[in-house]
Amino acid sequence: NAGVTQTPKFRVLKTGQSMTLLCAQDMNHEYMYWYRQDPGMGLRLIHYSVGEGTTAKGEVPDGYNVSRLKKQNFLLGLESAAPSQTSVYFCASSKETLGSNEQFFGPGTRLTVL
Amino acid sequence: AQKITQTQPGMFVQEKEAVTLDCTYDTSDPSYGLFWYKQPSSGEMIFLIYQGSYDQQNATEGRYSLNFQKARKSANLVISASQLGDSAMYFCAMREGVAGKSTFGDGTTLTVKP
Repeated sequence: NAGVTQTPKFRVLKTGQSMTLLCAQDMNHEYMYWYRQDPGMGLRLIHYSVGEGTTAKGEVPDGYNVSRLKKQNFLLGLESAAPSQTSVYFCASSKETLGSNEQFFGPGTRLTVL
Repeated sequence: AQKITQTQPGMFVQEKEAVTLDCTYDTSDPSYGLFWYKQPSSGEMIFLIYQGSYDQQNATEGRYSLNFQKARKSANLVISASQLGDSAMYFCAMREGVAGKSTFGDGTTLTVKP
């Protein structure tokens, strides 16, 4: 099993450009999450999904959109990138949200917006 | 108000000694989960230990134990017999609600000295 994979690993954008980050998991998890991590800080939740076809806003959703058309994929879109969106983006998935079911994280995508 | 507070930006510990990393949390939800993750310099997020709000006993996983004091709303991580490979950033996180949304602290950087 590959676990949680993220594409791409690195990306540099110019202000105003758009891009999509892809997260894929092969563990048949229902729950998926997108976080951003700014230097020296913890992770902040952008958007999340509790199942195929459903998405919801997290703590810092502005400037981002998401889609979960297939259970195994969770896409994060930036329509018009801004320098404030320079960050490391982590995707995570979880089988359930009870008990000791931890979130499994992808390796991260380092995004720089110039 | 901060939901997760980690008051120690940086900690040093001598190899083979024990160290405690502090975490306090704030929630009105009676059902929640507390997690600790390790983030080495390579960037990946590694799950260490879990404590449920209804668990009567403190969680333990190998050299990791969680000192859970529910009335004080604290969930400190104890690492025994520190190793050089323990040098990393450590994050405390709280999971709430049916969607399993997690809030992360800002982390503690642990440096193990030889």
